[in-house]
Amino acid sequence: QVQLVESGGGVVQPGGSLRLSCAASGFTFTHHGMHWVRQAPGKGLEWVAVIWYDGSNKYYEDSVKGRFTISRDNSKNTVYLQMNSLRAEDTAVYHCVRGTTVGRGAFDIWGQGTMVTVSS
Amino acid sequence: SYVLTQAPSVSVAPGKTARITCGGNNIGSKSVHWYQQKPGQAPVSVIYYDSDRPSGIPERFSGSNSGNTATLTISRVEGGDEADYYCQVWDSTSDHPVFGGGTKLTVL
Repeated sequence: QVQLVESGGGVVQPGGSLRLSCAASGFTFTHHGMHWVRQAPGKGLEWVAVIWYDGSNKYYEDSVKGRFTISRDNSKNTVYLQMNSLRAEDTAVYHCVRGTTVGRGAFDIWGQGTMVTVSS
Repeated sequence: SYVLTQAPSVSVAPGKTARITCGGNNIGSKSVHWYQQKPGQAPVSVIYYDSDRPSGIPERFSGSNSGNTATLTISRVEGGDEADYYCQVWDSTSDHPVFGGGTKLTVL
């Protein structure tokens, strides 16, 4: 069964840090680019970051550049999102998402998401 | 960056056809993907690459893309189709994905 399970969300103060993890199972992890997509309460979907199948390329949405870092450990079938200097506007459900290709393209499998709340 | 425009809401009676549009500059030259999100759930892919249906998605869901508009068409609409629908493309200029703002489909 193809599955993505996120963890690591929680409540953090502005300026703080969190590290999200996404454990993948049921498919060949190294055949797919992996993404993080977030959704603020009551808002639409917003893409955050992507990492290529082999970690060779990483791209970020402009508002998180320099603050967030995406990485992956192909030996553990896990993708991470290190989030630093968090702001109130980063509050959202963060979904781990499988890409249909090794990098660019569509999304086909979504995790249920983990909630990140940035508040004092 | 590339902008995708969706109507905030569309309403349709059961059994009728719903058309949800996604506008973008020369979007017909890009591949468009569509996602369905029901309340409290993660999104689900319903159309890939303009018109391909993932396995398990009913034939009632179809897609088209030409000029400045891509369209998700849902035939014989059912109550269970009530959801938010998002279009998405890959923006070659910024080299990252872009989502439309989403359309809430209400089944009357």
